[in-house]
Amino acid sequence: AQKVTQAQTEISVVEKEDVTLDCVYETRDTTYYLFWYKQPPSGELVFLIRRNSFDEQNEISGRYSWNFQKSTSSFNFTITASQVVDSAVYFCALRPGTASKLTFGTGTRLQVTL
Amino acid sequence: DTEVTQTPKHLVMGMTNKKSLKCEQHMGHRAMYWYKQKAKKPPELMFVYSYEKLSINESVPSRFSPECPNSSLLNLHLHALQPEDSALYLCASSQVGHSYEQYFGPGTRLTVT
Repeated sequence: AQKVTQAQTEISVVEKEDVTLDCVYETRDTTYYLFWYKQPPSGELVFLIRRNSFDEQNEISGRYSWNFQKSTSSFNFTITASQVVDSAVYFCALRPGTASKLTFGTGTRLQVTL
Repeated sequence: DTEVTQTPKHLVMGMTNKKSLKCEQHMGHRAMYWYKQKAKKPPELMFVYSYEKLSINESVPSRFSPECPNSSLLNLHLHALQPEDSALYLCASSQVGHSYEQYFGPGTRLTVT
């Protein structure tokens, strides 16, 4: 069975603070894919990143960075110098190499205030 | 272009009504999905179409009937819904294969009265 845990239900930060969203996953598959999605109040899920299980390189895209560690089954997401526009619910998701179904975490609601 | 469009944005329907949700993508994706999302919950998969054929039905009640008329369009026909079916219905598309990311539409917010 697959499982994704996002232990942080809600996080509030002041603009320009750095914030890390945690994601821990469980799977027995050796090949799997991890994703992060952003869901602003408008409702649309916006794809942010995909990471393959065999590629442990961390990634940086502007103010966003991702830390993938297979040893701890974690795929954490850091926003540097947060902005009000970053306010949204962020979902981590897992897709095993043998399955068509995405398993989502319960999401972390990030609120960035001035 | 990574756009998936959905119509209508909002829909209010009675329990005896018949309505349809529509989804369209022009990214050349051959996998399309319907999800249901209740407030403060993650999306739940309902159906998957691959090459215009239904490949996954997550034990969804028959009052929801999906249809994929062609590779760009996906419909969800609704009939005799219950108030608990009120939710955000999201459509997504992707290339076929487990490694590919899904692109989501803005959703249809459905209220059943």
